[in-house]
Amino acid sequence: GNSVTQMEGPVTLSEEAFLTINCTYTATGYPSLFWYVQYPGEGLQLLLKATKADDKGSNKGFEATYRKETTSFHLEKGSVQVSDSAVYFCALKYMGSARQLTFGSGTQLTVLP
Amino acid sequence: NAGVTQTPKFQVLKTGQSMTLQCAQDMNHEYMSWYRQDPGMGLRLIHYSVGAGITDQGEVPNGYNVSRSTTEDFPLRLLSAAPSQTSVYFCASSYSQTGKGEPQHFGDGTRLSIL
Repeated sequence: GNSVTQMEGPVTLSEEAFLTINCTYTATGYPSLFWYVQYPGEGLQLLLKATKADDKGSNKGFEATYRKETTSFHLEKGSVQVSDSAVYFCALKYMGSARQLTFGSGTQLTVLP
Repeated sequence: NAGVTQTPKFQVLKTGQSMTLQCAQDMNHEYMSWYRQDPGMGLRLIHYSVGAGITDQGEVPNGYNVSRSTTEDFPLRLLSAAPSQTSVYFCASSYSQTGKGEPQHFGDGTRLSIL
């Protein structure tokens, strides 16, 4: 079946550090890939997405590239801010299923001033 | 435009009690779903609906019931609460199930504790 594996957290960085959160997936066919962010006490918000191989999603300084050859969708940001502290979820959407999103376990990011 | 609204935000129940978690969306979305979020396990799909009058089971449906009598509302019922159902519950909706890049819109969650 479909699955998403994220790097274990928590991740603690200093402000302005470089961020990478690894995400790999297992799926048949060509899923769409998403990163969602969850700020404390809130629901999940879409951060970025990519719908086909080699697409790059970007938003708020975050980027992720859909790599079919390595089945990966790693999240990166060049310079994190304290306000980026949140839980980040990688997810895939497989068009052959009505069940929509399959989520990774989430990665807690804390950015220190 | 309220998006996806969940009520209540917090609830404490005793084992064996029943309750209904409410979810409403005002975006005319076809697809609605319920997830539970547990530490280290991401979000797991409980039930979903592809339109009014149509529901189906997700990954962890046992102990929960749903109905979809209108496009806007998708309540989740706990029939006889158990401590294992202590979790944070999220309702989500999207315009359709077929849109390749269509994201889901999430509510703010209901934090449920079963004693």
